[in-house]
Amino acid sequence: DAGITQSPRHKVTETGTPVTLRCHQTENHRYMYWYRQDPGHGLRLIHYSYGVKDTDKGEVSDGYSVSRSKTEDFLLTLESATSSQTSVYFCAISDVRGGEQYFGPGTRLTVT
Amino acid sequence: QKEVEQNSGPLSVPEGAIASLNCTYSDRGSQSFFWYRQYSGKSPELIMFIYSNGDKEDGRFTAQLNKASQYVSLLIRDSQPSDSATYLCAVSEYSGGGADGLTFGKGTHLIIQP
Repeated sequence: DAGITQSPRHKVTETGTPVTLRCHQTENHRYMYWYRQDPGHGLRLIHYSYGVKDTDKGEVSDGYSVSRSKTEDFLLTLESATSSQTSVYFCAISDVRGGEQYFGPGTRLTVT
Repeated sequence: QKEVEQNSGPLSVPEGAIASLNCTYSDRGSQSFFWYRQYSGKSPELIMFIYSNGDKEDGRFTAQLNKASQYVSLLIRDSQPSDSATYLCAVSEYSGGGADGLTFGKGTHLIIQP
């Protein structure tokens, strides 16, 4: 998984609670991405980062926020989880903007 | 709305044959094209990328790009049972400005029959 870890790997939470997912890389890649994968929709971009403290929204950013205070860490926060946010979340990294991306192992999140 | 279309399958291919996977994309400004393999319950794994028209070969895999037809394909020669997986086509529109990230198709489920 190209030196990428995600934590937690599995999480069950209740509607309305805050949740933070962590992506950690040891490759020193500048660009980091959060995607969600759902049956019938495929992988969709939530947010991305093009440097420390530099982030931007993707296709499905509503209900999510991100932060990147260090090159190696990219956090995804669900401020108030909803059942529609039940999904598998993947982090990806790249050292070339617009280039090939490498994915972490994923986090399976269930919101009850 | 940028779209990447793939036949969902399943595509069933005998062991040892050539598997041909196809993908079309809607945005003519697309610059870079990727094929990922995803086993059930696992993360996507990059297997090929192509940036220019024509063919690109890597071992048993060949990626083909035709920007005029907005078409990209993946050929897998001498298919093995271990090639059974879902194959995701992805496209990047980034070319020095604008939005980042990849747009993915929903994937083609490939089954290699022993």
